[in-house]
Amino acid sequence: SQKIEQNSEALNIQEGKTATLTCNYTNYSPAYLQWYRQDPGRGPVFLLLIRENEKEKRKERLKVTFDTTLKQSLFHITASQPADSATYLCASNPRGSTLGRLYFGRGTQLTVWP
Amino acid sequence: DGGITQSPKYLFRKEGQNVTLSCEQNLNHDAMYWYRQDPGQGLRLIYYSQIVNDFQKGDIAEGYSVSREKKESFPLTVTSAQKNPTAFYLCASSPEGIQPQHFGDGTRLSIL
Repeated sequence: SQKIEQNSEALNIQEGKTATLTCNYTNYSPAYLQWYRQDPGRGPVFLLLIRENEKEKRKERLKVTFDTTLKQSLFHITASQPADSATYLCASNPRGSTLGRLYFGRGTQLTVWP
Repeated sequence: DGGITQSPKYLFRKEGQNVTLSCEQNLNHDAMYWYRQDPGQGLRLIYYSQIVNDFQKGDIAEGYSVSREKKESFPLTVTSAQKNPTAFYLCASSPEGIQPQHFGDGTRLSIL
């Protein structure tokens, strides 16, 4: 069956370091991947989208990569700050499925400590 | 400001009752979605609609119903057939095509 997985439930890092979150997918090929941030009791907020023919996207301190060989997307936050503490979700749209329909991973809870 | 409004923020249901969760958007988006989020789980799709008067079942549609009579509104009814309705419900919308989804701030449903 198609799966999208975020292997780390939690990640704790020190302020100023780079946080790297992983999203793996199995048994399908995503047309694109998206990353969202979710704060407690709130809805997810879109951060970045990367298509299958793109290797890397950047936005300010955020960077996402897409490796179709490894079937993996990495999400990086450079110069992390305590305000970056949140749950980060990856989501994908399998190629051939209804455009716009997303499958979400369980999320990785990031804590940045001073 | 444009956005998605979900109401109420908290909702309590008695056994055997149907309840309806409201979702309104003023972003002029064609597509709308309902997700359920349980602790330690990712978002699971209940229903989605790509156009007015049309909707499709997601992965966990049993015990739920929706309508899409207006572009800006996509209410979700949790029926008494849904045996484990306690969860955080999220509504989202997006333009047509490969686009990000915009989420509301959710409704937390509990059983009395």
